Amino acid sequence: EPEVTQTPSHQVTQMGQEVILRCVPISNHLYFYWYRQILGQKVEFLVSFYNNEISEKSEIFDDQFSVERPDGSNFTLKIRSTKLEDSAMYFCASSLRGQVGNEQFFGPGTRLTVL
Amino acid sequence: AQTVTQSQPEMSVQEAETVTLSCTYDTSENNYYLFWYKQPPSRQMILVIRQEAYKQQNATENRFSVNFQKAAKSFSLKISDSQLGDTAMYFCAFVSEETSGSRLTFGEGTQLTVNP
Repeated sequence: EPEVTQTPSHQVTQMGQEVILRCVPISNHLYFYWYRQILGQKVEFLVSFYNNEISEKSEIFDDQFSVERPDGSNFTLKIRSTKLEDSAMYFCASSLRGQVGNEQFFGPGTRLTVL
Repeated sequence: AQTVTQSQPEMSVQEAETVTLSCTYDTSENNYYLFWYKQPPSRQMILVIRQEAYKQQNATENRFSVNFQKAAKSFSLKISDSQLGDTAMYFCAFVSEETSGSRLTFGEGTQLTVNP
């Protein structure tokens, strides 16, 4: 069964460094998402992406964050200058359609640790 | 803004028994969807069950069923005949097109342990 994959599984970086988190959505899906979960807190929506542009973003998704679909398979989340509070588990998701109620398929997550 | 609350951080159940996980939500919308996602240890979240708010009938998927009480804004998950493989973190989630587009709003999660 097709799955969303994410790399790396764990990323450690120094504060102020740039990181790129990578996701490979399910191949025929058209809508892509990033969520994050800070340890001990709820999973929070960051951004959704369709047709090579951002569909919506949360207040968390500030200028430090960007997303890109550089080729036909990868979907990336870049954090330009990481802060300690960016330490979290980052989940990528994809869905075939963007209508409300459609199932979002999640990846296993990337644990980002900012030192 | 919508909120989702899961008041049980941890639950445990004996294999073959039934367990109910609680979820409440707050919204002023009439049309929305509710979900239960399961996240096994070191694995991705997978959808367990989905409920459309305009449907009065409670959703069921094999051993999993929900008790959807729209007026009370309650959406509990019942797992019957619990199996060891049901051990996981369970997340309740909400989405409403009117106010949140396709973004999911999650509860805190409930860690369920099924004991042999």
